[in-house]
Amino acid sequence: DTGVSQDPRHKITKRGQNVTFRCDPISEHNRLYWYRQTLGQGPEFLTYFQNEAQLEKSRLLSDRFSAERPKGSFSTLEIQRTEQGDSAMYLCASSSVAGLAGGHFGTDTQYFGPGTRLTVL
Amino acid sequence: AQTVTQSQPEMSVQEAETVTLSCTYDTSESDYYLFWYKQPPSRQMILVIRQEAYKQQNATENRFSVNFQKAAKSFSLKISDSQLGDAAMYFCAYRSAWSNYQLIWGAGTKLIIKP
Repeated sequence: DTGVSQDPRHKITKRGQNVTFRCDPISEHNRLYWYRQTLGQGPEFLTYFQNEAQLEKSRLLSDRFSAERPKGSFSTLEIQRTEQGDSAMYLCASSSVAGLAGGHFGTDTQYFGPGTRLTVL
Repeated sequence: AQTVTQSQPEMSVQEAETVTLSCTYDTSESDYYLFWYKQPPSRQMILVIRQEAYKQQNATENRFSVNFQKAAKSFSLKISDSQLGDAAMYFCAYRSAWSNYQLIWGAGTKLIIKP
């Protein structure tokens, strides 16, 4: 396990459809984060899990968005009734508060996956 | 609320030269972390360097170093001996040490390397 993985890498959908993205964090990491990034901008925080508990949600996360991390491992982000404004790159990151699992840059450093690019037509 | 500002939308540098990317932030907290991430075209976000606010010594990672000025709330990134592979969007990010764990990001600086 060399990094955070996300699936799919690209998703094209029609307005009104539901989509689900998956994120697999680095295996020792107990924290998982979702961000959204639109073209030419920095990422915006969406939500954060510690183990299976969702501890923080941004106001950006409308009722159409839901995230889960059922067993404290992988996470899913679902968007219901997609809108054109949902088109963006969805980034997942993970981190660890424990010792060596924090990696070279130390504990609780966030490492990112490749992202899922969503296009809503 | 904390904010991060990157005032340079784009910078260019000749290969092998040195370039400095600027970042300022606003916070009322005394304990926090600052980061520079690199995002190459169509590739994932990669951490370049991390600075803890309580450390006076500037962080260094090979050709990358920072100038952290806590009183001025400034956190610039210096890239020495620029290489073609350094071409990317560079994002400055802030994270509180205690109150929450989300990263707060600047808008990014596009770095162009001229061969």
